[in-house]
Amino acid sequence: AQSVTQPDIHITVSEGASLELRCNYSYGATPYLFWYVQSPGQGLQLLLKYFSGDTLVQGIKGFEAEFKRSQSSFNLRKPSVHWSDAAEYFCAVGVTAGRRALTFGSGTRLQVQP
Amino acid sequence: GAVVSQHPSWVICKSGTSVKIECRSLDFQATTMFWYRQFPKQSLMLMATSNEGSKATYEQGVEKDKFLINHASLTLSTLTVTSAHPEDSSFYICSARDSRNEKLFFGSGTQLSVL
Repeated sequence: AQSVTQPDIHITVSEGASLELRCNYSYGATPYLFWYVQSPGQGLQLLLKYFSGDTLVQGIKGFEAEFKRSQSSFNLRKPSVHWSDAAEYFCAVGVTAGRRALTFGSGTRLQVQP
Repeated sequence: GAVVSQHPSWVICKSGTSVKIECRSLDFQATTMFWYRQFPKQSLMLMATSNEGSKATYEQGVEKDKFLINHASLTLSTLTVTSAHPEDSSFYICSARDSRNEKLFFGSGTQLSVL
């Protein structure tokens, strides 16, 4: 069975600073990988996803993520954080053959300091 | 770590029948659970917030009489899709908030196909 680890429960960065959120997965085959964001009072929003091809994936709101098979990682990055990026971020992995089952990490809460 | 069990993982039913999906927190209490729905190639959309012992709060556009939510205990919430139709075919996922630390944990989802 697949699993996802987000080692950082809580991260605080200053506005304008760069950001990297870590995600490690465990799965025997090629995974589908996702990053979701949940802002307070809102549902999950898909930031980006990786299915195949270019290992550097561009998403919405200026986010990107890089799939590194050798490290079983799919870290999320943003070069300059905005105050509106404060939210909870979830990494998820799906099985290659379909998306019936998604396994989510426990999330990383991002705070942005002025 | 905390685990949320969602069952079944997939279900096929005939149009007009009702389907119940269970979301269970296995090793923590969850006063609040959330139900999401995801259409193909789209993001998860919050359907409703389920609070133990009280009525669920539904998001705008979600029919509360069609999607019945029952949060009868601190470890179990159920979503019943009543009189299912093909347009209800979707991927449903629940999440539970750990009352101790406010962390959110997700079930693995249920793929519903209505024929």
